[in-house]
Amino acid sequence: NAGVTQTPKFQVLKTGQSMTLQCAQDMNHNSMYWYRQDPGMGLRLIYYSASEGTTDKGEVPNGYNVSRLNKREFSLRLESAAPSQTSVYFCASSEYEINQPQHFGDGTRLSIL
Amino acid sequence: AQKITQTQPGMFVQEKEAVTLDCTYDTSDPSYGLFWYKQPSSGEMIFLIYQGSYDQQNATEGRYSLNFQKARKSANLVISASQLGDSAMYFCAMRRANQAGTALIFGKGTTLSVSS
Repeated sequence: NAGVTQTPKFQVLKTGQSMTLQCAQDMNHNSMYWYRQDPGMGLRLIYYSASEGTTDKGEVPNGYNVSRLNKREFSLRLESAAPSQTSVYFCASSEYEINQPQHFGDGTRLSIL
Repeated sequence: AQKITQTQPGMFVQEKEAVTLDCTYDTSDPSYGLFWYKQPSSGEMIFLIYQGSYDQQNATEGRYSLNFQKARKSANLVISASQLGDSAMYFCAMRRANQAGTALIFGKGTTLSVSS
């Protein structure tokens, strides 16, 4: 019963490098989300995909791109990493209705040097 | 602007005591959902309890209950009979209809420490 799986769990990058964070869910959810968590800030929405084939910006999209590869997978790409992108990244999925909880992956801890 | 406010950065409680974690929210939408999540030191986000804006009764899930006061726009989490394993960060969050794919808006969290 995997739920939401994120890879990698930890990553260290140098400024300017690129990388893709992977996320897959096995709950047949329509909606998927990427959040970042910074100390004292709670979680903030980067991008979301309400359904397969659609993606939209959230609160803090600058410096990121996303791909909804299929219903199961939603990836987050940093094209040119910056130290300000050091954070913990969470992927989540849910059904679209507001009474449905979002299910989170275990997070990716990313450090940009 | 839609916002979740958690005014208690840290709370301390002894085992077996009850504790209330505060949450206030701001929205003009009539339809919304309120959630509480627990984040232990291991980092995962665990869903605890949900309250809908049209629900007539306060939500309960085991030792967790939600004190929902719609007129005051508050949704406080009550944990009864605290256990050492309850030590964690707790987040209040809101989902609104017709907004950003109904993504969650989070408060900044409250750290709960339970002592023996």
